[in-house]
Amino acid sequence: GAVVSQHPSWVICKSGTSVKIECRSLDFQATTMFWYRQFPKQSLMLMATSNEGSKATYEQGVEKDKFLINHASLTLSTLTVTSAHPEDSSFYICSARDIRGQGIEQFFGPGTRLTVL
Amino acid sequence: GEDVEQSLFLSVREGDSSVINCTYTDSSSTYLYWYKQEPGAGLQLLTYIFSNMDMKQDQRLTVLLNKKDKHLSLRIADTQTGDSAIYFCAESYTDKLIFGTGTRLQVFP
Repeated sequence: GAVVSQHPSWVICKSGTSVKIECRSLDFQATTMFWYRQFPKQSLMLMATSNEGSKATYEQGVEKDKFLINHASLTLSTLTVTSAHPEDSSFYICSARDIRGQGIEQFFGPGTRLTVL
Repeated sequence: GEDVEQSLFLSVREGDSSVINCTYTDSSSTYLYWYKQEPGAGLQLLTYIFSNMDMKQDQRLTVLLNKKDKHLSLRIADTQTGDSAIYFCAESYTDKLIFGTGTRLQVFP
């Protein structure tokens, strides 16, 4: 149980295009999902907290107009990188917290590698 | 602010014990975690410890917490080649997880 999937697993796009990444909790419901970004050989940096049915909360320094987050259901959150540029190339990882749990554990997706040419 | 520091690299011989260390700054953290990340993959929760505990053991894994010094360690007994990965400690901060810098564990035969 507690499986989180991400789609796509990798994507290559041209500079200026938008890319949507999906994060799904497959066997549980998640009121809260988190989006992280990881540069090569670095740690995970929290970008935003996504709450079902409400606006996402962005961390300081993260442009909300560039990284659009939608959490339309209890099992799906999407991150759209708008007008992508090469510096947006990174590994994007989502996590989800089970609605039934005590909030102790976040279950992580396998990540999406974005390369912007 | 919250900073979580780890040594970058650890190399051990197969069969030996590995000890990965972590220091954190937020004394109000309720839980502290250890995650494992294999190349190109997401994070796998290995274990966690409640802040009022000093030690937790789970099979080959032993977590030690020194709350006074804000020091957390993960000991892996009988380290195997399959344990080669990056290990992240993390502290809970309000509603979020703050991750350490990660320690790359390399196990050689």
